[in-house]
Amino acid sequence: DAGVIQSPRHEVTEMGQEVTLRCKPISGHDYLFWYRQTMMRGLELLIYFNNNVPIDDSGMPEDRFSAKMPNASFSTLKIQPSEPRDSAVYFCASSLGGGNSDTQYFGPGTRLTVL
Amino acid sequence: GNSVTQMEGPVTLSEEAFLTINCTYTATGYPSLFWYVQYPGEGLQLLLKATKADDKGSNKGFEATYRKETTSFHLEKGSVQVSDSAVYFCALMGSSGGFKTIFGAGTRLFVKA
Repeated sequence: DAGVIQSPRHEVTEMGQEVTLRCKPISGHDYLFWYRQTMMRGLELLIYFNNNVPIDDSGMPEDRFSAKMPNASFSTLKIQPSEPRDSAVYFCASSLGGGNSDTQYFGPGTRLTVL
Repeated sequence: GNSVTQMEGPVTLSEEAFLTINCTYTATGYPSLFWYVQYPGEGLQLLLKATKADDKGSNKGFEATYRKETTSFHLEKGSVQVSDSAVYFCALMGSSGGFKTIFGAGTRLFVKA
């Protein structure tokens, strides 16, 4: 399997622009997670899905952020409008099922820079 | 709520030195505990895990034992290599928190030749 795939790997945009990050989880995995990593705040869970349904979005920072999972093989994280403080590395991860020993498999991340 | 505390870095060691990275946790119920590793420019990947008290997880020479009495899951390796230079994250997942994984702040390890 190719693992979790994220695109783009790098994104540079200007403040106020819309940004869309994409993720393809590992086939057969029922859970999908979006994280944000910064030096100041570490690794933060933004939202996670089970069988394409959002379960917990309490980590989404504000209404400018939205996430969708239209099918089992694709998810997007959108920021509109983007701000410089959104600059971070965004990771997508997937896991097989709901057991509390489940391993999460991370993608390579998207490094977002908002100027 | 659930939380994870790990020692601050960076930790700098010479090759073949002994490594310990401390991790303690707070959780209700019986969480599973994990160590993940992040190499430069990559996502996190599982290093080892333990699912119940006194379990020992091990992989690539790294070990950690689930100690419920001290709520700890310290990472150890007897002889580090330059290739072990990375950021190490302690994490927990417990049924009381849904299926969210709570990550520590990460500890950066530098190994000098």
